[in-house]
Amino acid sequence: AQSVTQLGSHVSVSEGALVLLRCNYSSSVPPYLFWYVQYPNQGLQLLLKYTSAATLVKGINGFEAEFKKSETSFHLTKPSAHMSDAAEYFCAVSATGNQFYFGTGTSLTVIP
Amino acid sequence: DTAVSQTPKYLVTQMGNDKSIKCEQNLGHDTMYWYKQDSKKFLKIMFSYNNKELIINETVPNRFSPKSPDKAHLNLHINSLELGDSAVYFCASSQVRGLETQYFGPGTRLLVL
Repeated sequence: AQSVTQLGSHVSVSEGALVLLRCNYSSSVPPYLFWYVQYPNQGLQLLLKYTSAATLVKGINGFEAEFKKSETSFHLTKPSAHMSDAAEYFCAVSATGNQFYFGTGTSLTVIP
Repeated sequence: DTAVSQTPKYLVTQMGNDKSIKCEQNLGHDTMYWYKQDSKKFLKIMFSYNNKELIINETVPNRFSPKSPDKAHLNLHINSLELGDSAVYFCASSQVRGLETQYFGPGTRLLVL
């Protein structure tokens, strides 16, 4: 079975500061890992995904994530937060081909 | 062109009513999904469906039923609506079940009074 845990349901950063959103996964087989973003009143949009190629994955809007098997982590980072980054972020895992498992989400607030 | 579309965007109805939400994808994907997002933003998969197999989350009440007239459409029918059904419902699609990127629709905000 697979699952993801997102540490911190709410994260606040100042504009221009580093963004770090944490995701740990559990999977008995090599996983595919995803980060999605949900802006207010919108659907989910893919930020980036890891599919067993490079461990450092670059996504849209300056976000990137690093797959660390030893830590079972897939944390999302962005060097400098922008006001437009304020949104809900979801980590997800898939391994068996049957289902996605989403984390509980992290709400990012960017303080001007 | 919108990749995954849902109608209606908002749905307000009374308890006990039956309603449907429509979903269409123009990506040529084989698999479609329905998710429920509650007020705390928690996403729960309800169904995944392709032309071969329907997988139902066992926690979903049988008042909910997916219906697919063709590969591009997966509608959600809800019978005897209850207050607890109020949520945002998202449709999604992917080329292959599970492993590939899922593309989400804009959501349908259901309010049961």
